[in-house]
Amino acid sequence: GAGVSQSPRYKVAKRGQDVALRCDPISGHVSLFWYQQALGQGPEFLTYFQNEAQLDKSGLPSDRFFAERPEGSVSTLKIQRTQQEDSAVYLCASSLLGSWANTGELFFGEGSRLTVL
Amino acid sequence: QKEVEQNSGPLSVPEGAIASLNCTYSDRGSQSFFWYRQYSGKSPELIMFIYSNGDKEDGRFTAQLNKASQYVSLLIRDSQPSDSATYLCAVNIGNEKLTFGTGTRLTIIP
Repeated sequence: GAGVSQSPRYKVAKRGQDVALRCDPISGHVSLFWYQQALGQGPEFLTYFQNEAQLDKSGLPSDRFFAERPEGSVSTLKIQRTQQEDSAVYLCASSLLGSWANTGELFFGEGSRLTVL
Repeated sequence: QKEVEQNSGPLSVPEGAIASLNCTYSDRGSQSFFWYRQYSGKSPELIMFIYSNGDKEDGRFTAQLNKASQYVSLLIRDSQPSDSATYLCAVNIGNEKLTFGTGTRLTIIP
């Protein structure tokens, strides 16, 4: 597709359920990022992949959060035993180059809005 | 102290006036600075990025960076109602990730 695609766009989960959020980056993009954006806040970094390698997972808030990108393209963010504080928009972003900050070319998807009841 | 600080607003500016958005950051090792615009329910989109001290202009937008004061700003000239959005300041310290401020909500009044 033309942009970063995320699914589902909206997810309602009961507390304790597991959820999986999918990100399809722009074709050929090397770097892939997950951010969490709570209501009224700026996005917060969760994790970063370069191809299939997860190079930084320092932002994952707990061991209930797990991300993978097994073939270096599509990525899945999994949240186990969801809690109310996990309610947020989960944004995926991708870039062609590993050093995207020199060009500013980081492209965000529309996000997956998770609501935990 | 938060790593990237912005006034959350709301900031109201009359149509046609200059909107001034400000951001301070705490890490002196910060290397590049970004302004994103985010409409409600939409993803952030890049407006400007800057990494050298001084001004950088692109159309109606000017980004200003002062590393000594750890301050970055965004000016929007001839503000239009379509500029009404939340503006996110973000900082990169040379690794791959961005640290965002909480955003400033801007409203342009027709």
